[in-house]
Amino acid sequence: ETGVTQSPTHLIKTRGQQVTLRCSSQSGHNTVSWYQQALGQGPQFIFQYYREEENGRGNFPPRFSGLQFPNYSSELNVNALELDDSALYLCASSTPRGLAVHEQFFGPGTRLTVL
Amino acid sequence: AQSVTQLGSHVSVSEGALVLLRCNYSSSVPPYLFWYVQYPNQGLQLLLKYTTGATLVKGINGFEAEFKKSETSFHLTKPSAHMSDAAEYFCAVTGATNNDMRFGAGTRLTVKP
Repeated sequence: ETGVTQSPTHLIKTRGQQVTLRCSSQSGHNTVSWYQQALGQGPQFIFQYYREEENGRGNFPPRFSGLQFPNYSSELNVNALELDDSALYLCASSTPRGLAVHEQFFGPGTRLTVL
Repeated sequence: AQSVTQLGSHVSVSEGALVLLRCNYSSSVPPYLFWYVQYPNQGLQLLLKYTTGATLVKGINGFEAEFKKSETSFHLTKPSAHMSDAAEYFCAVTGATNNDMRFGAGTRLTVKP
């Protein structure tokens, strides 16, 4: 069984640029959640995708957007990068909502540095 | 709205001593509570979870936690610390829809030889 994978592992961008981060969910999981973890802080919920539709969003501006594909992999896009966007971005997959609450399985993250 | 507060950003114990990491939650709906561990430069690994039923939950690596509704707490314990337990620990809460998991700020556990 393949776990959650994320790419790239590290990324350096400059202010104003755009970035795309990718996530492949664990086999059998059709729900993907994205989190931002700033240095020394806990993960902050960005949004969740279920069956290719956004299913919940945290307190992040519209320049944070996402996609989920038919194979349940997902992308996080961030436009007009700001210095405060520097963080570890975590992707987590889980089993379908509506069933018993299952844990979210996390990938290793993508470390984004904005200069 | 849901939130968690982890008391103590750093906890230091000696090897073999009791580990106690504190978590208090706030939730307007029945909470589902989780403890995750994060090692340097890695993602989060689930230690244990409480959804319904038994309030004392046992997890991996000898950790356990007790859900106390009256105290809105979900503290994590381990009877005897091991050097390999040194890591960052996060408490998290979500509701039945599981689409908005809220994490605490984390507690860094140091284990002294």
